[in-house]
Amino acid sequence: KAGVTQTPRYLIKTRGQQVTLSCSPISGHRSVSWYQQTPGQGLQFLFEYFSETQRNKGNFPGRFSGRQFSNSRSEMNVSTLELGDSALYLCASRNPTTGRNTGELFFGEGSRLTVL
Amino acid sequence: AQSVTQLGSHVSVSEGALVLLRCNYSSSVPPYLFWYVQYPNQGLQLLLKYTTGATLVKGINGFEAEFKKSETSFHLTKPSAHMSDAAEYFCAVSGSNFGNEKLTFGTGTRLTIIP
Repeated sequence: KAGVTQTPRYLIKTRGQQVTLSCSPISGHRSVSWYQQTPGQGLQFLFEYFSETQRNKGNFPGRFSGRQFSNSRSEMNVSTLELGDSALYLCASRNPTTGRNTGELFFGEGSRLTVL
Repeated sequence: AQSVTQLGSHVSVSEGALVLLRCNYSSSVPPYLFWYVQYPNQGLQLLLKYTTGATLVKGINGFEAEFKKSETSFHLTKPSAHMSDAAEYFCAVSGSNFGNEKLTFGTGTRLTIIP
């Protein structure tokens, strides 16, 4: 069974640009979450999508957005990039069963964004 | 709301010695607790999890953790450290009820193994 796939793995952008990151979850997983990892702030929750709907959102500015497609693949977008957006962006998927959450997330290897 | 505190951002142990990584949690609902490991330039891999049932949980690579409700702790242990255990370890908590599934991570503990 293929794991969570994130593309691109590495990218460099300049301030003011925008970026789109892609995530393909494990087959059959309908929930996709995004996390930002930085040395200073650690792992911070961005948002979670389930069946194309945003189900949960972290405390990030509106420049950070995401979406999920009918095949459960997800994208996140960051507009007007700032230096502080340099981070490892991690995508994770899971398959929550109705009425019960086991919480376990399966992570991709991440997309490392550098903003110059 | 849920949160976790990991005591010690860096821990060093000798190869063959006991590994103990500390995690305390706070949760307004019965928690689910997790330990993840991250190797350089990689994503996070689940080591073990506690949801319900037995409070002593065994995971991969010889790690185990014990859920102690009275101490609000979920410390990670391994009897004998191996060089390959060098990595960063994250404790995480989520709520067990619908609407509280967001996983909240601790700040991480970097484990160094001394040959």
